[in-house]
Amino acid sequence: DAGVTQSPTHLIKTRGQQVTLRCSPKSGHDTVSWYQQALGQGPQFIFQYYEEEERQRGNFPDRFSGHQFPNYSSELNVNALLLGDSALYLCASSQGPGFEQYFGPGTRLTVT
Amino acid sequence: AQSVAQPEDQVNVAEGNPLTVKCTYSVSGNPYLFWYVQYPNRGLQFLLKYITGDNLVKGSYGFEAEFNKSQTSFHLKKPSALVSDSALYFCAVRPTYGGATNKLIFGTGTLLAVQP
Repeated sequence: DAGVTQSPTHLIKTRGQQVTLRCSPKSGHDTVSWYQQALGQGPQFIFQYYEEEERQRGNFPDRFSGHQFPNYSSELNVNALLLGDSALYLCASSQGPGFEQYFGPGTRLTVT
Repeated sequence: AQSVAQPEDQVNVAEGNPLTVKCTYSVSGNPYLFWYVQYPNRGLQFLLKYITGDNLVKGSYGFEAEFNKSQTSFHLKKPSALVSDSALYFCAVRPTYGGATNKLIFGTGTLLAVQP
């Protein structure tokens, strides 16, 4: 049984560019949450998707947006990249919005 | 503001000795409490959780955690540390009161170093 998968593993972008990160949830899970983990920090909640809608959002600007597809996979989009967006982006899936979250290995984004 | 504190950036312990990694939280109501472990270049792995019931919860790899409501603490423990336990440990809280009850609020992490 495949766990949560994320792609790509690593990504290097330039300031001002746009990036899309992808996540496939664990089998049987229908809810996807995204977190940003800056170096030396704990993960920070970005938003959560359920039934193809954004259900909850953390304190992140509108440059951060997402999407969930009918097969429950999800994308995180970040526009107008800043140096401060450099971080490990973690995707977590669960059986529902309030259930235990299982994390993927993350995507390491570097903005230069 | 809701927050989780892990007061120690690093905990050093000799193999075979007991270990404790501390966590306190400031969240309204009766939140759910979690511990996750992160190995280098890996995502977070779930260790254990407290929702209700017995204050001592047992989890994966021989870890356990003690919930103390009066002190709003949820310390991670293991009776006998292994070198392979060396990793970054995160305490997390899921609020059950007010808005945004599905997100996890994480501490800043504690690096556990077990010496042979």
